[in-house]
Amino acid sequence: GQSLEQPSEVTAVEGAIVQINCTYQTSGFYGLSWYQQHDGGAPTFLSYNALDGLEETGRFSSFLSRSDSYGYLLLQELQMKDSASYFCAVRDYNQGGKLIFGQGTELSVKP
Amino acid sequence: NAGVMQNPRHLVRRRGQEARLRCSPMKGHSHVYWYRQLPEEGLKFMVYLQKENIIDESGMPKERFSAEFPKEGPSILRIQQVVRGDSAAYFCASSRPGTGLNEQFFGPGTRLTVL
Repeated sequence: GQSLEQPSEVTAVEGAIVQINCTYQTSGFYGLSWYQQHDGGAPTFLSYNALDGLEETGRFSSFLSRSDSYGYLLLQELQMKDSASYFCAVRDYNQGGKLIFGQGTELSVKP
Repeated sequence: NAGVMQNPRHLVRRRGQEARLRCSPMKGHSHVYWYRQLPEEGLKFMVYLQKENIIDESGMPKERFSAEFPKEGPSILRIQQVVRGDSAAYFCASSRPGTGLNEQFFGPGTRLTVL
């Protein structure tokens, strides 16, 4: 089966940098995704990594190390609006298109 | 280009009734997924469908739950004889085929409350 672990909550201040880690176990890893969810609303796609390394999109970056079964989401220049839940999710090539989600990390950004 | 649409947004049912949740994927998306989310938890995969085909229903309870994605019209998640434990937010997502599978677009969800 698959399992993912991420911290349940993280707190940071405006303007700071925060890193949300995710470790995973899966039999046929295909890629790691990150989604953001505000107040139980629609999750929105942030990034996808299939290969090792860092993917940068504006203030958000995502990193993957396949050999370590580990990835992280890096948020820079934090803003209050970044307060949300962040989920890592894996695609497993044995499982087709479905995503297996972690339990989520609640990020609180303080002034 | 409208996003993924779900209705109703909120649904209240009494125990034993049927709940029917609808999802219209984004234009051009042929893959639909249903997920369930309990408060303070992650999204749990239920079922993955393409037009007229169930690809993977490994996350869906064997009894009372069914899903379809007909040739015409929205995808439907049906829950028969609802129980209090079915109360949750149900999210639908869609994606394009091929590399589009790497990015899923989610609807606003249907919040089901069973009294």
